[in-house]
Amino acid sequence: AQKVTQAQTEISVVEKEDVTLDCVYETRDTTYYLFWYKQPPSGELVFLIRRNSFDEQNEISGRYSWNFQKSTSSFNFTITASQVVDSAVYFCALSAYNQGGKLIFGQGTELSVKP
Amino acid sequence: GAVVSQHPSRVICKSGTSVKIECRSLDFQATTMFWYRQFPKQSLMLMATSNEGSKATYEQGVEKDKFLINHASLTLSTLTVTSAHPEDSSFYICSAEGERGVGNEQFFGPGTRLTVL
Repeated sequence: AQKVTQAQTEISVVEKEDVTLDCVYETRDTTYYLFWYKQPPSGELVFLIRRNSFDEQNEISGRYSWNFQKSTSSFNFTITASQVVDSAVYFCALSAYNQGGKLIFGQGTELSVKP
Repeated sequence: GAVVSQHPSRVICKSGTSVKIECRSLDFQATTMFWYRQFPKQSLMLMATSNEGSKATYEQGVEKDKFLINHASLTLSTLTVTSAHPEDSSFYICSAEGERGVGNEQFFGPGTRLTVL
């Protein structure tokens, strides 16, 4: 069975603080992909990153960074110097290569960045 | 990037009516499309997977006779909610995976908010 757990339901920070969103996944497949999506109040999902199971290199994109650790089955997302525009719900998702592309989403973390 | 559209973006209907939602891939051919449902403050749950020219595969617990899915072409999939009831009120999101779907990447539509009175 595949599962994604985002233990943090809601996080509230003050602008310019750093914040890390946790994601833990479960899968028996050796080939899989992990994703992060942002969902602002409009509802449209915004793709942030895709990482395959063979690439454990951390990635940085501007204020965003991702830490993928297979040993702990985690794919955490850090926003540095958060801004009010970062306020949204963030979803971590898992797709196993042999599952026909199905995405399994975590419960989501609602991030609120206050000025 | 690849663009997926959904129509309508918002619909309000009376209980007992049927509602059709369209999902189109605008600049690529989508061999596979997915339909998700999201209740307020909850995650996205996969309802079904549709492949062009074949019957949709429904997830456990999703009534295939209530949620009719048709994927008649490589750029269009439709979801029809038949005899809608207030409990069907939700945010419906489609995604498409196709020739650009490298690494299982899916391209999401903007969603359709259904309210059943």
